[in-house]
Amino acid sequence: DGGITQSPKYLFRKEGQNVTLSCEQNLNHDAMYWYRQDPGQGLRLIYYSQIVNDFQKGDIAEGYSVSREKKESFPLTVTSAQKNPTAFYLCATRDREFAGELFFGEGSRLTVL
Amino acid sequence: EDKVVQSPLSLVVHEGDTVTLNCSYEVTNFRSLLWYKQEKKAPTFLFMLTSSGIEKKSGRLSSILDKKELFSILNITATQTGDSAVYLCAAMRSQGNLIFGKGTKLSVKP
Repeated sequence: DGGITQSPKYLFRKEGQNVTLSCEQNLNHDAMYWYRQDPGQGLRLIYYSQIVNDFQKGDIAEGYSVSREKKESFPLTVTSAQKNPTAFYLCATRDREFAGELFFGEGSRLTVL
Repeated sequence: EDKVVQSPLSLVVHEGDTVTLNCSYEVTNFRSLLWYKQEKKAPTFLFMLTSSGIEKKSGRLSSILDKKELFSILNITATQTGDSAVYLCAAMRSQGNLIFGKGTKLSVKP
């Protein structure tokens, strides 16, 4: 089945713990993105990667880290340095580097207790 | 600072009504304007507009971009309950990143 798989769908963590959200795609897309969505807010860009072994900070990168060791995978780590991590996290991919729409995964909802 | 502003933030209509959703933008190195529909989780793509004044249509939905006045509208005619969703507008920068508005929550009552 082609598409973008995010896991876990729901995650709870205690304050001070790091957590890693998975994003895997089999669309053979070069570019991958992580967005954060808060209630009543638009999507905000955390990190993006246009090619393997390279990534750039988005608008709200503080407290987050990523890696892009394989074309298919772009995991996001929410570190303890992120002051308000409770949110809905969306991973997206794009077929062409600078044009075309983004395709989104189903999202991961992180709740910090 | 780049921004995308959508209005209204929420809207309640009855089935059969026609609605217009607005999106204005101030984005450096603007490339395109995109519309998405978000029902529960994953936003789904509706339109991408790059040229000014050219209407794009898909069934009961249509959209147009005005690059001089820096805005776009999304029209939905003969609304149905299945149109209930959050509609997101996003401006694409030349490097490919999207800046999203806060969305318009549309509720269609039977």
